Amino acid sequence: DGGITQSPKYLFRKEGQNVTLSCEQNLNHDAMYWYRQDPGQGLRLIYYSQIVNDFQKGDIAEGYSVSREKKESFPLTVTSAQKNPTAFYLCVSGDYTEAFFGQGTRLTVV
Amino acid sequence: AQSVTQLDSHVSVSEGTPVLLRCNYSSSYSPSLFWYVQHPNKGLQLLLKYTSAATLVKGINGFEAEFKKSETSFHLTKPSAHMSDAAEYFCVVTLVVNDYKLSFGAGTTVTVRA
Repeated sequence: DGGITQSPKYLFRKEGQNVTLSCEQNLNHDAMYWYRQDPGQGLRLIYYSQIVNDFQKGDIAEGYSVSREKKESFPLTVTSAQKNPTAFYLCVSGDYTEAFFGQGTRLTVV
Repeated sequence: AQSVTQLDSHVSVSEGTPVLLRCNYSSSYSPSLFWYVQHPNKGLQLLLKYTSAATLVKGINGFEAEFKKSETSFHLTKPSAHMSDAAEYFCVVTLVVNDYKLSFGAGTTVTVRA
């Protein structure tokens, strides 16, 4: 079955550490996105990619980095420069007919 | 630039009464529009979508939405709310001229009173 898979579901990070969130899709979508969701703030775009080896900053890219070496994969790294990383992170892939969502990763800084 | 505005951050209704969630977009181009629902601690699920076919779109769970180009709106309605409709709802817009980049509204939280 086609779909989009995020891992891990829960992630704990010590202050000062970088962590990488995985996102894989087998839907053959060109476009993939990373969003951050905080209580009462909806979904905010971190990075998006429309094609392999190319990606664009979203509204809150500071402290994050991404890569798009393969069409199927769009990992997100939360760096130590992100001052408030505790949030729910959602990966999305899609086209103009529909967006498909991963199940999300809840990142907590301990 | 496109943007999406969900006009109500929170809607509270009684079970069995109608639900209206409002969404406006700003663009001079024809968009594709979606409504997604997110139940607590769950992922997002597609309710319905408009992609330049019929302007009245019927979705799952009794929801429907009407695309009104003159008003740049895509409001979501349901004639009779059920307790299971309590969730957060997102209006999403994408445009061909913007490389189909997804734009999300801020979300509307729906509570249903017994």
